Amino acid sequence: AQSVTQPDIHITVSEGASLELRCNYSYGATPYLFWYVQSPGQGLQLLLKYFSGDTLVQGIKGFEAEFKRSQSSFNLRKPSVHWSDAAEYFCAVGVNRDDKIIFGKGTRLHILP
Amino acid sequence: DADVTQTPRNRITKTGKRIMLECSQTKGHDRMYWYRQDPGLGLRLIYYSFDVKDINKGEISDGYSVSRQAQAKFSLSLESAIPNQTALYFCATSDTRTSGEQYFGPGTRLTVT
Repeated sequence: AQSVTQPDIHITVSEGASLELRCNYSYGATPYLFWYVQSPGQGLQLLLKYFSGDTLVQGIKGFEAEFKRSQSSFNLRKPSVHWSDAAEYFCAVGVNRDDKIIFGKGTRLHILP
Repeated sequence: DADVTQTPRNRITKTGKRIMLECSQTKGHDRMYWYRQDPGLGLRLIYYSFDVKDINKGEISDGYSVSRQAQAKFSLSLESAIPNQTALYFCATSDTRTSGEQYFGPGTRLTVT
């Protein structure tokens, strides 16, 4: 069965610094991969997704993620974070378009002024 | 108006009471999901429905039931609420005709005393 691991429960970065959130998945074939963001008191919003093709995926709010098959990873990056990026971030994996997706346990991002 | 709505947004109830959480969507999606979110555990799938006549258990369905009254409505019931069902509950939708990502409601915060 597929699974998702987000190794970092909390990450703290300074405003303007670069960011990388880690995500590793377990699945034999190429999965469908997602990153969601949850701002305080809000539901989840899709940041970006990978299904096939170019392994570097661009998303909303200046985020990008890179699929690395050899490392079973789908890390989320942003070159310069803003205070409004403080939120919880969830990586998710799906087997195919016709199935449910599995969420990681999340990484909470804190931004220092 | 929001595409996925949940009612109520907040609810406090007593142990042993029956409670229903409702979800409605205007996205025209065929698939709907119920998750619960607990700190440090991420999102866990309770039930999902791929169409009106299809209901499936998720990883933590014990103590819960659902009803898909129409394509746009999916309700979650707690037949006899217990304190460890205190959590944030999310409804989500997806469309098999497109890319499979899920769209989330704003959540219902349920407290069982």
